[in-house]
Amino acid sequence: EVQLVQSGAEVKEPGATVKISCKVSGYTFTDYYIYWVQLAPGKGLEWMGVVDPKDGETQYAERFQGRVIITADTSTDTAYMELSSLRSEDTAIYYCAGGLDPWGQGTLVTVSS
Amino acid sequence: DIVLTQAPLSLSVTPGQPASISCKSSQSLLHSDGKTYLYWYLQKPGQSPQLLIYEVSNRFSEVPDRFSGSGSGTDFTLKISRVEADDVGIYYCMQSLQLPSWTFGQGTKVEIK
Repeated sequence: EVQLVQSGAEVKEPGATVKISCKVSGYTFTDYYIYWVQLAPGKGLEWMGVVDPKDGETQYAERFQGRVIITADTSTDTAYMELSSLRSEDTAIYYCAGGLDPWGQGTLVTVSS
Repeated sequence: DIVLTQAPLSLSVTPGQPASISCKSSQSLLHSDGKTYLYWYLQKPGQSPQLLIYEVSNRFSEVPDRFSGSGSGTDFTLKISRVEADDVGIYYCMQSLQLPSWTFGQGTKVEIK
């Protein structure tokens, strides 16, 4: 069974950095891009970026460029998304996806002082 | 940047009745490889998004045949032939013409009358 399992909920202060993991199982990790998507309260899905696990090449959405780093570790079949300089508007659920489907269960990040 | 505009943004449907969601793109989603990179996702309450339709009209694995997708170029439609209670949630169209980046529509909330 293909599964993407994400790390647990996080609470961070403004200005901090959060790093979320996405562990893949059930398929060859390097076969599909890993995407990251944000779902903020009252908003729709927003693509943040993507990594090709084969070579680590990334592409980021302009809105997150400079604050987001996406990586892939082929030794553990795990992808990571790091978001820095957190502000209240970053409070959201963050999803990873292996190709088009399936998606991880989501990780809630709350930014609050 | 490609913009996807969905309509309506909310829909209340009687069980057993049909429903239709439109997705219009700011530019053609027909790639030079002959494929059209338009997808439909459903995010049920409390769940991660799930792929319904890929490349305009292809139902994903185990998606009921009451769901169908159509369209070409810049205009696309998702139809549910007979809405069931399990179909409630937010429907998103998504484009990936400029692989590997994604863009989502605003989402259409479907509820049952």
